[in-house]
Amino acid sequence: DTEVTQTPKHLVMGMTNKKSLKCEQHMGHRAMYWYKQKAKKPPELMFVYSYEKLSINESVPSRFSPECPNSSLLNLHLHALQPEDSALYLCASSQDPPGGPYEQYFGPGTRLTVT
Amino acid sequence: RKEVEQDPGPFNVPEGATVAFNCTYSNSASQSFFWYRQDCRKEPKLLMSVYSSGNEDGRFTAQLNRASQYISLLIRDSKLSDSATYLCVVGYQKVTFGTGTKLQVIP
Repeated sequence: DTEVTQTPKHLVMGMTNKKSLKCEQHMGHRAMYWYKQKAKKPPELMFVYSYEKLSINESVPSRFSPECPNSSLLNLHLHALQPEDSALYLCASSQDPPGGPYEQYFGPGTRLTVT
Repeated sequence: RKEVEQDPGPFNVPEGATVAFNCTYSNSASQSFFWYRQDCRKEPKLLMSVYSSGNEDGRFTAQLNRASQYISLLIRDSKLSDSATYLCVVGYQKVTFGTGTKLQVIP
């Protein structure tokens, strides 16, 4: 089973709201990722967790706060977002941390609109 | 020079045609290579990994040329369902996505 699930599928939030995106995988993968994708652009890496520890933060603004409660779950907490943060947020997982020749499997994404 | 470069296309090809995409990368230490396909408003899906010896999966063939630092994807007997954006992904300490090549297969 190569399934990564994400909730919610769609989210509309105001600039003063606090919300969270959730991601889950049951493939035993030890690396999990958050990406942001704007229309007609490739996914942009935001965060990488390796063995439940944050290993890469691609200079993401602090209004995005990741959390990895356990090896199967990844959250992205959102607070005081801007309209330009509207995008598709993708979660992915891979068999081992970055640096190895391991494929990443993506969830279906959360389409976020900030009003 | 961008880390990973692809021709954005679009490539408009008739059904049954053979089409090839190339992707160049700048980091000679790169060690992992993949092709993903992404349909409109969907997530990227792994198409195939690319190995030094090349690999084939049905109508799809991927090649790696380390000397010239590029990978290629060949699609034979194109189907309408092959219409998508094809993303080249190159990994060293982290993966980097190319901007994608759009393929439109025409009836």
